[in-house]
Amino acid sequence: DTAVSQTPKYLVTQMGNDKSIKCEQNLGHDTMYWYKQDSKKFLKIMFSYNNKELIINETVPNRFSPKSPDKAHLNLHINSLELGDSAVYFCASSHGLAGEITDTQYFGPGTRLTVL
Amino acid sequence: AQSVTQPDIHITVSEGASLELRCNYSYGATPYLFWYVQSPGQGLQLLLKYFSGDTLVQGIKGFEAEFKRSQSSFNLRKPSVHWSDAAEYFCAVGAWNQAGTALIFGKGTTLSVSS
Repeated sequence: DTAVSQTPKYLVTQMGNDKSIKCEQNLGHDTMYWYKQDSKKFLKIMFSYNNKELIINETVPNRFSPKSPDKAHLNLHINSLELGDSAVYFCASSHGLAGEITDTQYFGPGTRLTVL
Repeated sequence: AQSVTQPDIHITVSEGASLELRCNYSYGATPYLFWYVQSPGQGLQLLLKYFSGDTLVQGIKGFEAEFKRSQSSFNLRKPSVHWSDAAEYFCAVGAWNQAGTALIFGKGTTLSVSS
């Protein structure tokens, strides 16, 4: 069974559109994350979510919003897509609270978003 | 500010040769250090992590890393590289920010394995 899954794997869309990326984890973890990997493969945290509460919200545009319907899911909604949003987006999860710095994060396979 | 530097962007190693990937960190307190591997088109997989104790840490796939506080380094090593080790390797430090914790990643090292 896949521990952390994301859909879709590839997403190609036009500028100005609104899109969502879904993430599900079946590990029973308490905390989920979204990371962005740019064209130079640099990975940066976007959000951290615990118990339906946003814990970390790095300096990302308001057009990005995480939505967590339950503990096992953390979806990423992006409004008014821009060219610079093109990247690979990774979902991850970890066992404990977001304050547990020692927890291993388990990553999904990534979603490659291309904005035309 | 916390940061991670991986000085080598790309390394090529012959199959069967030894490997060392460098990682330097900047962090004011005791660092929590991680090495992740990303195979082409895949997500990240944890190779090993260091929190405290023995400074030589063993990981999966025959990898090990040594924490050296005096050098602020956490270099990854493998005695004999296999072709399947070709991938992107990321060093990361677990860091506190204003609201919680996050992994701060280096920019990665691409490993190519030649036959």
